[in-house]
Amino acid sequence: QQQVKQSPQSLIVQKGGISIINCAYENTAFDYFPWYQQFPGKGPALLIAIRPDVSEKKEGRFTISFNKSAKQFSLHIMDSQPGDSATYFCAAFSGSRLTFGEGTQLTVNP
Amino acid sequence: NAGVMQNPRHLVRRRGQEARLRCSPVKGHSHVYWYRQLPEEGLKFMVYLQKENIIDESGMPKERFSAEFPKEGPSILRIQQVVRGDSAAYFCASSPGELPHEAFFGQGTRLTVV
Repeated sequence: QQQVKQSPQSLIVQKGGISIINCAYENTAFDYFPWYQQFPGKGPALLIAIRPDVSEKKEGRFTISFNKSAKQFSLHIMDSQPGDSATYFCAAFSGSRLTFGEGTQLTVNP
Repeated sequence: NAGVMQNPRHLVRRRGQEARLRCSPVKGHSHVYWYRQLPEEGLKFMVYLQKENIIDESGMPKERFSAEFPKEGPSILRIQQVVRGDSAAYFCASSPGELPHEAFFGQGTRLTVV
């Protein structure tokens, strides 16, 4: 019940394209859903986050879509750039604990 | 204002040795979280500490692993009698309150057990 399932495991997108990463969860106690970006050799950095009472949140080229009934949420990266190439993790928060997805390695080709 | 500092960045230990990983939180942050990242996997919660207190250690293996966050000095994650399966990246994060979802992460310590 504490798992967060993330897909795809890897994603290759052309520059200017849309990158879409999906996550699903089971535990309805989760009440905050952040996304993290991690570059090689670095720690994860908070990118964008959403609460379950909101269906969409947009910050610049990054958008989270949230479907509470389906217990799914996704990250969309518009106009993807080579500098967006990184590993992206979704996560879910409940109580005092963050549960992370398995990660998606995004490569944006020039 | 320095971020979360972890050291060493890379640590090589032989099987059976002890590994000590240090984490200095952001100045003013009194909450520290440790996570382990195995190759090709996401981060797994290990332990949540406040100054001088272990709040939640339910993600920590029962044996060989311990953590502390003393009143003065960095938080320490200690792994005794390391085995090959302990090879991983260990990340520390800190926050000013009980806000793990808004914590700042360090760059991690990559432990290799040979």
